[in-house]
Amino acid sequence: DAGVTQSPTHLIKTRGQHVTLRCSPISGHKSVSWYQQVLGQGPQFIFQYYEKEERGRGNFPDRFSARQFPNYSSELNVNALLLGDSALYLCASSLGGFDMKTFFGQGTRLTVV
Amino acid sequence: RKEVEQDPGPFNVPEGATVAFNCTYSNSASQSFFWYRQDCRKEPKLLMSVYSSGNEDGRFTAQLNRASQYISLLIRDSKLSDSATYLCVVNIRGSARQLTFGSGTQLTVLP
Repeated sequence: DAGVTQSPTHLIKTRGQHVTLRCSPISGHKSVSWYQQVLGQGPQFIFQYYEKEERGRGNFPDRFSARQFPNYSSELNVNALLLGDSALYLCASSLGGFDMKTFFGQGTRLTVV
Repeated sequence: RKEVEQDPGPFNVPEGATVAFNCTYSNSASQSFFWYRQDCRKEPKLLMSVYSSGNEDGRFTAQLNRASQYISLLIRDSKLSDSATYLCVVNIRGSARQLTFGSGTQLTVLP
């Protein structure tokens, strides 16, 4: 069975550009979350979607947005990129309900120059 | 104060050693607890959930003390393959499926 898949795996962008990151959850998982991990830190929560509705938002500026599609895949969009947005962006999926176990994709490594 | 605090290490131990990691969390509404491991430049992988009664999975034992807001992970008979960063993770009641991570403790098992 495929795990959580993310694309692209690596990306280099220029300051001020925008970026779209994509994620496909594990088959049957309805909850998708996005995390940002900068070097030396644990992942930080950005968004959570369940059944196409936003269920949680972390402390990130409005330049960050996301959505979930009917097939439960998800996109994370970041506008007006800053150097500080350089990080590993992780997508996570879980079943939903009372099962809290969460599984991560391999991440998209974004470098802003 | 960080919501989840861990000793960053690094911990360098010889093969076969027993090593313990500690973690404290500040939000008393925390309701679910996990240990994840993360290899260099890879994604975090769920190692084990942590239950109030304590739980064991092979060489790994996790403990939770809700009164002290403290979580631990014990690794017995360390293997070279255990070298990784270990992340303490909590979910806070009412925060949907948001996971709050510690900064991680780096472990290197030496031959």
